[in-house]
Amino acid sequence: EAGVVQSPRYKIIEKKQPVAFWCNPISGHNTLYWYLQNLGQGPELLIRYENEEAVDDSQLPKDRFSAERLKGVDSTLKIQPAELGDSAVYLCASSLRTGGHVETQYFGPGTRLLVL
Amino acid sequence: QQQVKQSPQSLIVQKGGISIINCAYENTAFDYFPWYQQFPGKGPALLIAIRPDVSEKKEGRFTISFNKSAKQFSLHIMDSQPGDSATYFCAARSPPGAGSYQLTFGKGTKLSVIP
Repeated sequence: EAGVVQSPRYKIIEKKQPVAFWCNPISGHNTLYWYLQNLGQGPELLIRYENEEAVDDSQLPKDRFSAERLKGVDSTLKIQPAELGDSAVYLCASSLRTGGHVETQYFGPGTRLLVL
Repeated sequence: QQQVKQSPQSLIVQKGGISIINCAYENTAFDYFPWYQQFPGKGPALLIAIRPDVSEKKEGRFTISFNKSAKQFSLHIMDSQPGDSATYFCAARSPPGAGSYQLTFGKGTKLSVIP
């Protein structure tokens, strides 16, 4: 079974440029997460989708970050314009939520962004 | 405000030894406590998890000890192997409601197991 797929794996851009990351979750998973992981830190949630609905985006910097999950499958995270401080690893995770059962979040390999 | 504090930041253990990583939390509403293992260039992968109504859970060489009254939990890796060398993250999950199901991660512990 394929895991969570993310692309690109690495991205180098100049500040003020736009950048987009793509995520394909595990087939059948209804919940998708985007996390930010700074060097030497744990992942921090940016946004959570249940199907195509963003149910928790309270930690997404909405002035420059946007995300979408059309048709409740793939998702794209965009930054426009990028700033030096955005250099980090962007992780996508997915899970299958069924009622109150505790579900496991499966993480992709991440996209490592470097803003120059 | 960091809700999950993890220590130590780094740990060096000899092969065959016991690795111990500790976490403390503040929010008593957390209802699920997983540990994730992350290798360089990879995403975190679930290693083992525990609910607060259980004091200990063991899976192979990995054991979680949970102390609800002290709001602390720890990961023990028995017979540590070089292949266990990775960064380990503890996490805590928010229950349904505000911040529903959100995982709050510790800052991670880089474990190095030397032959």
